[in-house]
Amino acid sequence: EVQLVQSGGGLVQPGGSLRLSCAASGFLVSDTYMSWVRQAPGKGLEVVSVIYSGGSTYYADSVKGRFTISRHNSKNTLYLQMNSLRAEDTAVYYCARDHSDGWFDPWGQGTLVTVSS
Amino acid sequence: DIQMTQSPSSLSASVGDRVTITCRASQSISHYLNWYQQTPGKAPKVLIYAASTLQSGVPSRFSGSGSGTDFTLSISSLQPEDFATYYCQQSYSTPWTFGQGTKVEIK
Repeated sequence: EVQLVQSGGGLVQPGGSLRLSCAASGFLVSDTYMSWVRQAPGKGLEVVSVIYSGGSTYYADSVKGRFTISRHNSKNTLYLQMNSLRAEDTAVYYCARDHSDGWFDPWGQGTLVTVSS
Repeated sequence: DIQMTQSPSSLSASVGDRVTITCRASQSISHYLNWYQQTPGKAPKVLIYAASTLQSGVPSRFSGSGSGTDFTLSISSLQPEDFATYYCQQSYSTPWTFGQGTKVEIK
């Protein structure tokens, strides 16, 4: 079965760090594009970061220099290291496979990150 | 970045109604338009990709059309499980961007 299972997240103070994980099954994260998409409370969807099959990466301007996307091929797992967190980073974070035509499927179950003192 | 604008932002409809949601891109995106359904507390689920291709397992009452800048998602006969928020997403030019969503509520 093709699926993504997320872990990590939680409550962190402003300026703190968190790492999100996304374990894949049924396909190889190294063979495809993988993305992190976030959704602030009551808001829409925003692509935060992408790692391409060749290893290059994309970051939204809002997280550039603070977030790092990576993958561990032997664990078939995607990561998002989030540093210098701000209140505006509070959101549910989803990992998703990005198909060659740019549509997302499957999605992870989502994990809530709350940045608050 | 390409801006995606959905209309309406919300609508009320009854079971059995035909519903149409529109999505407009700020520039031509050919057929690179995808539709998602999201229910509360769940991840989005792809319904249609490449403007009109139904994802496997999605009921045939869902359909998509359009090209260039204007697209529509139609639900031919609304079912109770279809009350949700729908998002369009362009995959013509990075970064991929989403519309703001259309919430379909029960009348």
